[in-house]
This record gives sequence, C-alpha cells and structure tokens, in this order.
Amino acid sequence: DTGVSQNPRHKITKRGQNVTFRCDPISEHNRLYWYRQTLGQGPEFLTYFQNEAQLEKSRLLSDRFSAERPKGSFSTLEIQRTEQGDSAMYLCASSFRTGEGSPLHFGNGTRLTVT
Amino acid sequence: GQQVMQIPQYQHVQEGEDFTTYCNSSTTLSNIQWYKQRPGGHPVFLIQLVKSGEVKKQKRLTFQFGEAKKNSSLHITATQTTDVGTYFCAGPTKTSYDKVIFGPGTSLSVIP
Repeated sequence: DTGVSQNPRHKITKRGQNVTFRCDPISEHNRLYWYRQTLGQGPEFLTYFQNEAQLEKSRLLSDRFSAERPKGSFSTLEIQRTEQGDSAMYLCASSFRTGEGSPLHFGNGTRLTVT
Repeated sequence: GQQVMQIPQYQHVQEGEDFTTYCNSSTTLSNIQWYKQRPGGHPVFLIQLVKSGEVKKQKRLTFQFGEAKKNSSLHITATQTTDVGTYFCAGPTKTSYDKVIFGPGTSLSVIP
C-alpha cells in the first residue's frame, strides 16, 4: 500500500489553457473522490466515483470541469479554459466502501496556479 | 443546502493547555468523521463516530457525537506542539450517503 498518488504536485498555467491532473488511488479502494481546497477553507466536494461510474458531480462545478476514471483504476480531472479563480489545491481521496461510512485517504494534492 | 460549521475558526493555546473544537451540522448525520491537516500537508483521517452519544478516545484526544447526531466535538488534553494543524469534521449529506462534506476547520496553534 503506497497510498494515494497525485501528479503533478504543482502546475502553473496561463489563463485560458487546459490542464489535466492524475490520481492513482489505493489499489483495493473502489471509491475515488475529487476535492478542491483554497487557503483557510475545508475541502470542497467536486465529484466521486464508484469503480468507473461517476456517481455525483457538484453543482458548483461549471462545464469546464470534467473527471474520468476509465477501468475503475486511476482518475483524471481536466479543467478547460482555466480562470484565475480555479487556483487552488486539488485533492484526490480514495476509500473502500463499508456499510457505515468510509474513511477517506487523501493524496498530497496538486496545487494549481493560474496566472 | 446542508452545511457543516465549526467553531472556533482559530485557536491559539499555550503548550499544556486544553483545546476543544465544535462541529455543527444543519441536518442529522448518519456518521461523522474527523481529520487533521498539518501545515502544508493533506487531511489525515482520525476517527469516525456512528452512534448517538458515542464517545471515543485516542490518547489525549476525545471525540464525542451528540445525542441528536447533529453536533460533535474534539477535545485535546494537555496540548503539545505536535498537535498543531487544522482539524476538520466531515459527514455525509442527507441525500447521498457517500458524498462527504467538510466543515471549514479549526486551526490550532500551540505556543511552546
């Protein structure tokens, strides 16, 4: 168990460019979550998957955000036409679903800076 | 929509003093989780509470789930510098058991 891995750790991009982040969850976990965190705030839910199925997407997300989890393993989060307001830490977490809630295991995150 | 709130936002304590953070949900929760995030780090799971009125201890940390399952608290006895960080409570939404939403956190500073 090597934990949740996220790449890249940092990304600096110019406004209007597209960016893609990758998350590799803990191998036996069937749930994968994406959160966004800005300074001084708690993680904000973006979306989550069970295996390859995307079960819910936050209404706060615009159509510029898309996430995939092909084959139920790693996941990618793409942001199109980035805006300065997209600057944040993007956190991925995975869990193994149980009957009474499942602890989330977070990766180190990808810090996005949009200039 | 459902909200999870925490107070205080910040707490500065002298090493050895006790610390408590409170978490309140606008709706009844099926369970509540607590996480700790060290400066520059990512949230790390501490504990989950499920039953009404449940109390769990981890060394100097005591976690409590309210009788109405709408509030929770984390109490640290005799804080140490290793306790520095932000403590988040988190719980599932009313409509989606597996969608976990986080409170804004309480940032703890410990003065040696």
